[in-house]
Amino acid sequence: QTVVTQEPSLTVSPGGTVTLTCASSTGAVTSGYYPNWFQQKPGQAPRALIYSTSNKHSWTPARFSGSLLGGKAALTLSGVQPEDEAEYYCLLYYGGVQRVFGGGTKLTVL
Amino acid sequence: EVQLVESGGGLVQPGGSLRLSCAASGFTFSSYEMNWVRQAPGKGLEWVSYISSSGSTIYYADSVKGRFTISRDNAKNSLYLQMNSLRAEDTAVYYCARGYNYGYWGQGTLVTVSS
Repeated sequence: QTVVTQEPSLTVSPGGTVTLTCASSTGAVTSGYYPNWFQQKPGQAPRALIYSTSNKHSWTPARFSGSLLGGKAALTLSGVQPEDEAEYYCLLYYGGVQRVFGGGTKLTVL
Repeated sequence: EVQLVESGGGLVQPGGSLRLSCAASGFTFSSYEMNWVRQAPGKGLEWVSYISSSGSTIYYADSVKGRFTISRDNAKNSLYLQMNSLRAEDTAVYYCARGYNYGYWGQGTLVTVSS
């Protein structure tokens, strides 16, 4: 059973910077896991932010960036806005056959 | 404008069946891989199934393998999920999502498995 682990919750001040991470129970996350990141607000469908580690969708705000950090996938928010308060999920690909979501990180902007 | 609209959810008894549909518009449906993702009430996202643009390649999560069947009709711009032998733990909002990068999502359809 493959498990993808994210921080359950993080708090950041408006204007600050925060990094969310995504770890795999199988070992280091590499670009071959094609990390994706999604944002979900209460009562809404998820919204895609980042794909294939660091690629942004046309609607992804510039303050969001994706990377690999210390064997994990990472999503960094720089200059956090109040509207960034949401649940964030990562998704990893395993051998192209399986995809596994992380448990999500609840980001509070306070 | 890209649109994905799920339908077919509802209340079903354990052991029952349900067929979900996802109607696509605003893009060339036959050119895109498609996915089903679900979310149990108050829980996180769970990937369910993937189908290639032609329908020739299909993958399932272990939790639904052997019970769920994904399919598509490119002529009708539609994606389907046939769900059999439903269990209480299949209760969730089911989303369809477009492409390898899950760029577009529908609003979801709620499936409730309960007696």
